Amino acid sequence: DVKVTQSSRYLVKRTGEKVFLECVQDMDHENMFWYRQDPGLGLRLIYFSYDVKMKEKGDIPEGYSVSREKKERFSLILESASTNQTSMYLCASIPQPGLLAKNIQYFGAGTRLSVL
Amino acid sequence: AQTVTQSQPEMSVQEAETVTLSCTYDTSESDYYLFWYKQPPSRQMILVIRQEAYKQQNATENRFSVNFQKAAKSFSLKISDSQLGDAAMYFCAYRSETSGSRLTFGEGTQLTVNP
Repeated sequence: DVKVTQSSRYLVKRTGEKVFLECVQDMDHENMFWYRQDPGLGLRLIYFSYDVKMKEKGDIPEGYSVSREKKERFSLILESASTNQTSMYLCASIPQPGLLAKNIQYFGAGTRLSVL
Repeated sequence: AQTVTQSQPEMSVQEAETVTLSCTYDTSESDYYLFWYKQPPSRQMILVIRQEAYKQQNATENRFSVNFQKAAKSFSLKISDSQLGDAAMYFCAYRSETSGSRLTFGEGTQLTVNP
């Protein structure tokens, strides 16, 4: 089975802190994603990556950056955390399109971040 | 831009009964895929069912089936013989051929199953 692991289930940080959310997948997937989940808004795409050292902005990239130095790891970075970044963060991965119709995204269990 | 709308923030059903969750989407594309994901209290997102837009036949997975109306841009999920384990947040999602692997999600519907 595909496994997507997020390093923390719960995280509490202070305003202005630099925050790293880590995600690791074990299936050699090329594509990785970071979403933010808020009540009434569903999941919104922050950033995604199609390959090592490649990244593209999603729908709400402001206040976030990402890093993908190795294929299996995709990090979300909050350079200076703010209270409006309190949310649930979900990581996902999917193989490279080739059999795109057959491919689905696999998700981690989420990190609930509170910024105080 | 594509949008996905789930107009029912909360739904409830009695155990063993049937419930239908609604989803509509807006797109100008002709080739795309639709998904229903389930997020139980454990927070682990699980794919429930998917539908390719070019297929006229509605997808079915055991007790889960969809009613895909392409012209109306509607994609509802029917859960038959509801079980307590079906209680979860359900998300409808869309992916087009031209957007690569990106998914666009609806707002979610919280399903409660009453014993």
